[in-house]
Amino acid sequence: AQRVTQPEKLLSVFKGAPVELKCNYSYSGSPELFWYVQYSRQRLQLLLRHISRESIKGFTADLNKGETSFHLKKPFAQEEDSAMYYCALSVSGGGSQGNLIFGKGTKLSVKP
Amino acid sequence: DSGVTQTPKHLITATGQRVTLRCSPRSGDLSVYWYQQSLDQGLQFLIQYYNGEERAKGNILERFSAQQFPDLHSELNLSSLELGDSALYFCASSTNAGGGIGNTIYFGEGSWLTVV
Repeated sequence: AQRVTQPEKLLSVFKGAPVELKCNYSYSGSPELFWYVQYSRQRLQLLLRHISRESIKGFTADLNKGETSFHLKKPFAQEEDSAMYYCALSVSGGGSQGNLIFGKGTKLSVKP
Repeated sequence: DSGVTQTPKHLITATGQRVTLRCSPRSGDLSVYWYQQSLDQGLQFLIQYYNGEERAKGNILERFSAQQFPDLHSELNLSSLELGDSALYFCASSTNAGGGIGNTIYFGEGSWLTVV
């Protein structure tokens, strides 16, 4: 079954501390993974996609197929990073053509 | 601004009623998706349309239906509303139907539905 697991509901860190938001997936095909960020129940904004191997707002994420993980990392957290972060898996084939399966989300709180 | 527009932004209605949520995808996008975000269920995929045809179905209730029109805008119809249908409904769009490097999904701001 296709599944995305974000084990932490809430992650609280101090400003300047490193951040790692965990994401594990279950998918038999070749995964395409994304991180979306949502500020105060607003629109989901695309933060990263693993294919691009980019760094956005200081965040990076590496796909580890052996561990089936796609953890989101930032070396120094900022207060403006406080938001909900969702890991998502894009599935294709069969009845699910490119739609996203989301994890439950992790709320990141960066304290001053 | 993602380019995906949704109306209305907020809606309050009574149980048993019917509402229609509207979505205009990004210019050039052929695929439209509907998601429901609630406190207890999180983000759930409801349904996808591609170029006017239903492409994939997720956890969409029989009381709910959707369609995509020739101009590619989409509507999500919710009927016989229950208190538990209160949620944020997101529309999203992408260029293609399937997964792929170019097929990133962009979200609208959502429609807040409150059923009282």
